[in-house]
Amino acid sequence: QPVLTQPPSASASLGASVTLTCSLSSGYSAFEVVWIQQRPGKGPRFVMRVGPGGIVGSKGDDIPDRFSVLGSGLNRYLAIKNIQEEDESDYHCGTEHGSAKVFGGGTKLTVL
Amino acid sequence: QVQLQESGPGLVKPSETLALTCGVSGVSIGSDYWNWIRQSPGKGLEWVGNIYYSGNFRQNPSLTSRVTISVDASKNQCSLKLDSVTAADTALYFCASGNLDLWGQGILVTVSS
Repeated sequence: QPVLTQPPSASASLGASVTLTCSLSSGYSAFEVVWIQQRPGKGPRFVMRVGPGGIVGSKGDDIPDRFSVLGSGLNRYLAIKNIQEEDESDYHCGTEHGSAKVFGGGTKLTVL
Repeated sequence: QVQLQESGPGLVKPSETLALTCGVSGVSIGSDYWNWIRQSPGKGLEWVGNIYYSGNFRQNPSLTSRVTISVDASKNQCSLKLDSVTAADTALYFCASGNLDLWGQGILVTVSS
C-alpha cells in the first residue's frame, strides 16, 4: 500500500506564502491525496483533494481562495498565500488503497 | 447541513471493550460509507476502519482483528467497537465520511484503570 511522507514542521511569516509537501511512495504517482487541516484543539477539516492534474472536485466549505493545490510526479502540494494567524494548524494528507485509508505524519505549520 | 457527532464513554478500563457511536444528521447513512479514524496524543491520524451500508466493513490490519464496525440505519448512525484495549488505544476518535470531506469533532477516549 502507499506510504505518505510529510515534513514534520514548516513556518512562514504573516502575509507570506508557504507550500506544504506530501510525497507518495514509488509506484503511486496516479494517486489522489486529500489535504486535511486541524487547528489546535479542533477537529479535522477537509481542505481539498489533489491528483496528478491538480484539484479534484471542490474545496471544502469556507476554505479561502488563498489555498491551492498542485500535483507533480509523486508529490502533492498545498500552497497557502498571504498566510493568516488562523492558518496555523497541523496539515495532514491522506489517500486510499482499495477503501483503506492511509495518512502521512502531518506537518505542523507555525505562523511567525 | 451534514453533521457527524461521536459519542460514548471517555474512560475505558484495560482489557475491556471501547464502544463509540457516530450520529449522522443531514444525510442518510446509506448515501456513503463511513470511516473511523483515531489520533493518539501528539501523533498523526490513523485509520481504524470503515463500513458500507451493506454492513461490510474493513479494519486496519495493525489492529489485529479487534475492530467491529456496524451500521444502524433506523438511527442513522454507525458504531465502533474495539476489543481488549490497552493504554496504546488512548486517542481522539473521529468518524468521517467515505471521502474524508466530512468529519466529526472527535471524542477523547482514555484507557486507564
